[in-house]
Amino acid sequence: DAGVIQSPRHEVTEMGQEVTLRCKPISGHDYLFWYRQTMMRGLELLIYFNNNVPIDDSGMPEDRFSAKMPNASFSTLKIQPSEPRDSAVYFCASSSGGPNTGELFFGEGSRLTVL
Amino acid sequence: AQSVAQPEDQVNVAEGNPLTVKCTYSVSGNPYLFWYVQYPNRGLQFLLKYITGDNLVKGSYGFEAEFNKSQTSFHLKKPSALVSDSALYFCAVRPRTTSGTYKYIFGTGTRLKVLA
Repeated sequence: DAGVIQSPRHEVTEMGQEVTLRCKPISGHDYLFWYRQTMMRGLELLIYFNNNVPIDDSGMPEDRFSAKMPNASFSTLKIQPSEPRDSAVYFCASSSGGPNTGELFFGEGSRLTVL
Repeated sequence: AQSVAQPEDQVNVAEGNPLTVKCTYSVSGNPYLFWYVQYPNRGLQFLLKYITGDNLVKGSYGFEAEFNKSQTSFHLKKPSALVSDSALYFCAVRPRTTSGTYKYIFGTGTRLKVLA
């Protein structure tokens, strides 16, 4: 398997622009997570899905952020409008549920810079 | 509040020496415990996990971790460090629940530097 695939790897945009980050989880995994990593705040969970349904979005910073999972093989994280403080590395991770599994498989991340 | 603590921001060790990266947690019940490693400009990679059973868990790249229930700790260890082990290490905990929630609690990370 190719692992979790994220795109783009790098995105530089100007404040106010819309940003869309994409994720393809590992086939067969039923959980998908979006995390944000910054030096100041470390690794933060933004939202996670189970079987394409959002379960917990309490980590989404504000209404400018939205996430969707239209099917089992694709998810998006959208920021509209973007602000400089959104600059971070955004990770997607997937996992297979069950009591004896559960480790997360992370993508390589999308590094976002908002000017 | 549930939390995971990695008390050391950085650990320095000489190549060939044993290493320990510490992790303690404050989570009710018997959570699942994990260690991940992150190399520069890469995503986190799974190293090992504790689910149940033997308190000493072996994982990738010669790493192991010792679970101590009374101290609520899950320290990462390696008998002989390599320069290539230099990276950022994260401890993570996932509470066992009956509610179906599936949230991981990550520590703040410990930077390991192995000196040649």
